[in-house]
Amino acid sequence: ETGVTQSPTHLIKTRGQQVTLRCSSQSGHNTVSWYQQALGQGPQFIFQYYREEENGRGNFPPRFSGLQFPNYSSELNVNALELDDSALYLCASSLARDYEQYFGPGTRLTVT
Amino acid sequence: AQTVTQSQPEMSVQEAETVTLSCTYDTSENNYYLFWYKQPPSRQMILVIRQEAYKQQNATENRFSVNFQKAAKSFSLKISDSQLGDTAMYFCAFMKLGNTPLVFGKGTRLSVIA
Repeated sequence: ETGVTQSPTHLIKTRGQQVTLRCSSQSGHNTVSWYQQALGQGPQFIFQYYREEENGRGNFPPRFSGLQFPNYSSELNVNALELDDSALYLCASSLARDYEQYFGPGTRLTVT
Repeated sequence: AQTVTQSQPEMSVQEAETVTLSCTYDTSENNYYLFWYKQPPSRQMILVIRQEAYKQQNATENRFSVNFQKAAKSFSLKISDSQLGDTAMYFCAFMKLGNTPLVFGKGTRLSVIA
């Protein structure tokens, strides 16, 4: 059984640029949640996808958007990057009606 | 809205000793889940233990156990026989029923000293 994977591991971008982060969910999981973890803080919920539809969103601006594909993998897109977007981005997958979320190793994004 | 508070930013413990990490939360829900996650320097968030609010019995997983006080909205984690590999950030998290998002506290950095 393959766990949750994320790519890339690290990324450096310039303010104003756009970035795409990728997540492959654990086998059999149809729900993917994305979290942003700023340095020294707990993760904050960005949004969740269930069977290719957005299924809830946290307090993040519209320049944070996402997709889920038929194989349940997911992308997080961030437009017009700001310095405060520098953070660890975590992806977690789960069965829709299960409560256990399995996390990937994260993508460290640095915006300069 | 739910909130989770971890009042201990950092703690340390001698190897083989016992340590307790504190967590309080605020919710108007009656049924929910509580979790402790461990995040080592590798960054991967690992589930340590979970507690269903409708269960009165405290959850236990090997050296890890919780003290769940529903009326007080308290959920502490006890680590017995601490090991060097327990060194990590520990996050307390809350979730309503139905796989809604996790709400995390700010974490407690635990250092196990040889």
